[in-house]
Amino acid sequence: GAGVSQTPSNKVTEKGKYVELRCDPISGHTALYWYRQSLGQGPEFLIYFQGTGAADDSGLPNDRFFAVRPEGSVSTLKIQRTERGDSAVYLCASSLMGRNEQFFGPGTRLTVL
Amino acid sequence: GQQLNQSPQSMFIQEGEDVSMNCTSSSIFNTWLWYKQDPGEGPVLLIALYKAGELTSNGRLTAQFGITRKDSFLNISASIPSDVGIYFCAGQLSNQGGKLIFGQGTELSVKP
Repeated sequence: GAGVSQTPSNKVTEKGKYVELRCDPISGHTALYWYRQSLGQGPEFLIYFQGTGAADDSGLPNDRFFAVRPEGSVSTLKIQRTERGDSAVYLCASSLMGRNEQFFGPGTRLTVL
Repeated sequence: GQQLNQSPQSMFIQEGEDVSMNCTSSSIFNTWLWYKQDPGEGPVLLIALYKAGELTSNGRLTAQFGITRKDSFLNISASIPSDVGIYFCAGQLSNQGGKLIFGQGTELSVKP
């Protein structure tokens, strides 16, 4: 079956611009997670959804970052007024309800010039 | 914030050798997961551990959930060139359901 998909695979933007990153989880997975991975580091948690609601958004670095999952499936991570320090790979993962195994997508590489 | 200490940071071994890497934490985890990541790809789940002392195998890979619940190790036996990649441990705290905390990764290189 299809795994987690993320679009775009690469995004180059200019400082100050707004970007949206999309995640399509594995069908039937009710939990969805966003992580950010900087070069040479492990992924860092940003936010996770159980259904449509954000169950934990403690990892969002500031109010420029926002994520939605309006229908409990596809999620969009939104970054306003991008900064060069936002450059990283943004990973999305999903899991079945009540299960801890998280399955990751290929990521979106964001570059802020 | 919470941190996992993963070691070694990198390993360079000969094909056929066994490999061992581990993660330690100052906090107690209720789940340990091990992932492998290839360049340009997302992490791929290798093994999941749920109980203290649990020993689980997946082919040539074996992982254990430490008895103290603060550590885990991963062994790879008889390494092959396709084992090359970065291995990450990840733990989940009992009071932070969903959120995974990752180690810094172990980069494995295998010489044919």
